[in-house]
Amino acid sequence: DIQMTQSPSSLSATVGDRVTITCRASQSISSYLHWYQQKPGTAPKLLIYQASRLQSGVPSRFSGGKSGTDFTLTISGLQPEDFATYFCQQSYNTPTFGQGTKVEIK
Amino acid sequence: QVQMQESGPGLVKPSQTLSLTCTVSGGSISSYDYYWSWIRQPAGKRLEWIGRVYTTGSTKYNPSLESRVTISLDTSKNQFSLNLNSVTAADTAVYYCARDHGDDDVSSWFDPWGQGTLVTVSS
Repeated sequence: DIQMTQSPSSLSATVGDRVTITCRASQSISSYLHWYQQKPGTAPKLLIYQASRLQSGVPSRFSGGKSGTDFTLTISGLQPEDFATYFCQQSYNTPTFGQGTKVEIK
Repeated sequence: QVQMQESGPGLVKPSQTLSLTCTVSGGSISSYDYYWSWIRQPAGKRLEWIGRVYTTGSTKYNPSLESRVTISLDTSKNQFSLNLNSVTAADTAVYYCARDHGDDDVSSWFDPWGQGTLVTVSS
């Protein structure tokens, strides 16, 4: 299985901050990397697919990047509704997920 | 838009079979454009993809669960189902269904997801 390692596991931030979450794959996965947001008790929501493509309806403050086997999710100008858990998923082969990053209010 | 809703027993005894159903609304499960997946998350652990089914009935499973899993679909009810047999406490998790944007070879991104249903394995 391809291991996905997210960092940090949690972070504290303030409204308006620029926040970056990283996901590292244990091997090359091309751009088969997707990002989701999850709030307690609700369905996970797709934010970014294929590393950098913004899902329809998702605010443009969310963006995805790639450098080798490192992938980033950046929130430019954190909003109150963005406090949630974010996780990555690879689809190069049998899907696997990162362990999640919880974004909390500082 | 497409919505997904899981349903089924919240408590299953060890060694028995866990059975869940996902009802799809706002779209047809008979579409040739998508696959239909099950995913689970034990408390405090990462998500785990279980498997998927296509409108033709063809399936693909996570090798780690393949010996115990069956996923099927009922196009007349616009539903697909998960059966996981010989369950243990390690199968206690929130189970999600999701639409899979993959192809014949591999799954891709999942969108949308259901809200999830907690299944506890306990006597």
